[in-house]
Amino acid sequence: AQSVTQLGSHVSVSEGALVLLRCNYSSSVPPYLFWYVQYPNQGLQLLLKYTSAATLVKGINGFEAEFKKSETSFHLTKPSAHMSDAAEYFCAVTDNYGGSQGNLIFGKGTKLSVKP
Amino acid sequence: DTEVTQTPKHLVMGMTNKKSLKCEQHMGHRAMYWYKQKAKKPPELMFVYSYEKLSINESVPSRFSPECPNSSLLNLHLHALQPEDSALYLCASRRGSSYNEQFFGPGTRLTVL
Repeated sequence: AQSVTQLGSHVSVSEGALVLLRCNYSSSVPPYLFWYVQYPNQGLQLLLKYTSAATLVKGINGFEAEFKKSETSFHLTKPSAHMSDAAEYFCAVTDNYGGSQGNLIFGKGTKLSVKP
Repeated sequence: DTEVTQTPKHLVMGMTNKKSLKCEQHMGHRAMYWYKQKAKKPPELMFVYSYEKLSINESVPSRFSPECPNSSLLNLHLHALQPEDSALYLCASRRGSSYNEQFFGPGTRLTVL
């Protein structure tokens, strides 16, 4: 069964600093991986996705993530944090096998705080 | 049009009320989802519709009743809810294969008194 683990329920960075949000996955088959962002009282917005093409994936708002099979990781990074990046971030995995029909399995989320 | 809309944005209801949540998308997506999200938690899958047929019901209590009248519309009928059902209810849709992302609506904030 697929699963994702997000290390750190809360990450705090200073404005302009590097953002690193960690996600490790568990999957018996090649996974499809997603990062979503959720601002307070809003729905989820896709930041980026990995679907077995390039291992370095660029997303919106300057975010990117690198798929590392050897480490079963898909960490999200941004070189320079903005105040507007403060939000909840979810890593998710899905697969195209079995009965899951591509349903998303979410990590527990990481809340990103950005200090001025 | 690349968005999922949900109405109402906020809903307050008593435990004896009957209400409905509505979700709509015009992207031609044939998979649609209902999620429940409690504060500081990830979304929990409730129902999945595929080509207007209910394909997954994640052991949701019968006081939640989904309906998919057509390929663009998804409803969630609510009856005799409990205060612990208060949450953000999210609708999502997806095009075709599972490597495609789900598009989420803004959610309905439900409060059960």
